[in-house]
Amino acid sequence: GAVVSQHPSWVICKSGTSVKIECRSLDFQATTMFWYRQFPKQSLMLMATSNEGSKATYEQGVEKDKFLINHASLTLSTLTVTSAHPEDSSFYICSAGGTSGSYNEQFFGPGTRLTVL
Amino acid sequence: AQSVAQPEDQVNVAEGNPLTVKCTYSVSGNPYLFWYVQYPNRGLQFLLKYITGDNLVKGSYGFEAEFNKSQTSFHLKKPSALVSDSALYFCAVSNPDSNYQLIWGAGTKLIIKP
Repeated sequence: GAVVSQHPSWVICKSGTSVKIECRSLDFQATTMFWYRQFPKQSLMLMATSNEGSKATYEQGVEKDKFLINHASLTLSTLTVTSAHPEDSSFYICSAGGTSGSYNEQFFGPGTRLTVL
Repeated sequence: AQSVAQPEDQVNVAEGNPLTVKCTYSVSGNPYLFWYVQYPNRGLQFLLKYITGDNLVKGSYGFEAEFNKSQTSFHLKKPSALVSDSALYFCAVSNPDSNYQLIWGAGTKLIIKP
């Protein structure tokens, strides 16, 4: 149980285009999902916390208009990188908040590699 | 400020030897503690967690970790390293009152030499 998928697993796009990444909780409902960005050989950087049916909460320094997050259902959150530029190239990881036993924890997707040319 | 420290950027171990990857934390209350592993160009894989109970936690792939409250540590260990254990390891801590929020260590690259 507690499986999270991401689609696509990798994407290459031209500078100036927009890219949408989907994060799905496959066998549980997640009122809260998280989006992370990871640079090579570095730790995960939390970009935003997404709550179903409400606006996402962005971390300091993350551009809301650049990284659009939608969490329209209890099993799907999307991250859209708008007008992508080469500096947006990165590994994006989502997670979904769920319960393990009676404890809350995050369950992680496999990540999406974005390359902007 | 709440934080998680992985003091070693890289740990080198010979195959067959025991390994330890260190993690200390500074978080209020009674946190939950996690270890994840990441192979090149892959997502995170859950290894083990401590929530409550026995301080020694056993996880996937023969790994274990010991929660030490007095030292605020949660070091990852394995009795006999395999070359396939070579990867990036992350320690993470969450405050149960924080609605799933995780505080991440910087990661430790583990290299197992044959």
